[in-house]
Amino acid sequence: AQTVTQSQPEMSVQEAETVTLSCTYDTSESDYYLFWYKQPPSRQMILVIRQEAYKQQNATENRFSVNFQKAAKSFSLKISDSQLGDAAMYFCAYSSNFGNEKLTFGTGTRLTIIP
Amino acid sequence: NAGVTQTPKFQVLKTGQSMTLQCAQDMNHNSMYWYRQDPGMGLRLIYYSASEGTTDKGEVPNGYNVSRLNKREFSLRLESAAPSQTSVYFCAALLSGGGNQPQHFGDGTRLSIL
Repeated sequence: AQTVTQSQPEMSVQEAETVTLSCTYDTSESDYYLFWYKQPPSRQMILVIRQEAYKQQNATENRFSVNFQKAAKSFSLKISDSQLGDAAMYFCAYSSNFGNEKLTFGTGTRLTIIP
Repeated sequence: NAGVTQTPKFQVLKTGQSMTLQCAQDMNHNSMYWYRQDPGMGLRLIYYSASEGTTDKGEVPNGYNVSRLNKREFSLRLESAAPSQTSVYFCAALLSGGGNQPQHFGDGTRLSIL
């Protein structure tokens, strides 16, 4: 079974600075997908970014980018120019490319933005 | 989140009562999922349905039943609620056909069992 580990329960960053959230995972599969979801206080689950394991190029979405290290099974999220609206819980998630495509989540990192 | 609608948003039950959480999606997605979110534990899969008429257990199915009524609707039932089922419940839908498709989530149901 796959596991996802987020070792930073809480992080904080000054507004306009850059912060990196860590995620590691364990799998025996070679083809899979990784996601970062944001959960603000409103409780919505919002997709931030996704990465396909067979693509070596790191995904980027505006201020959000990932550092995907397949051999190390590491998938970190970098947020540049942090904004107050970035304050939220961030969840790393894994999905197999086969079968039921269910998501396996990490335990989350609570990000605080300091004005 | 207009794509996946969960009802109710909040509910308080007494131990032993039954309850059905409703989920409907208007995106014509094939797969639907029920997760629970507990403090410090992320989201865990309870049940999922890969297509209309099929359901399968996830990581934490004990104490729950599900029904995939049609392509749009996927309900979660607690037959005899227990305090350990106090949680936030999320329904999600997925187009399927490749793991790169993101799951679309409802806004969640906060359920308290006294």
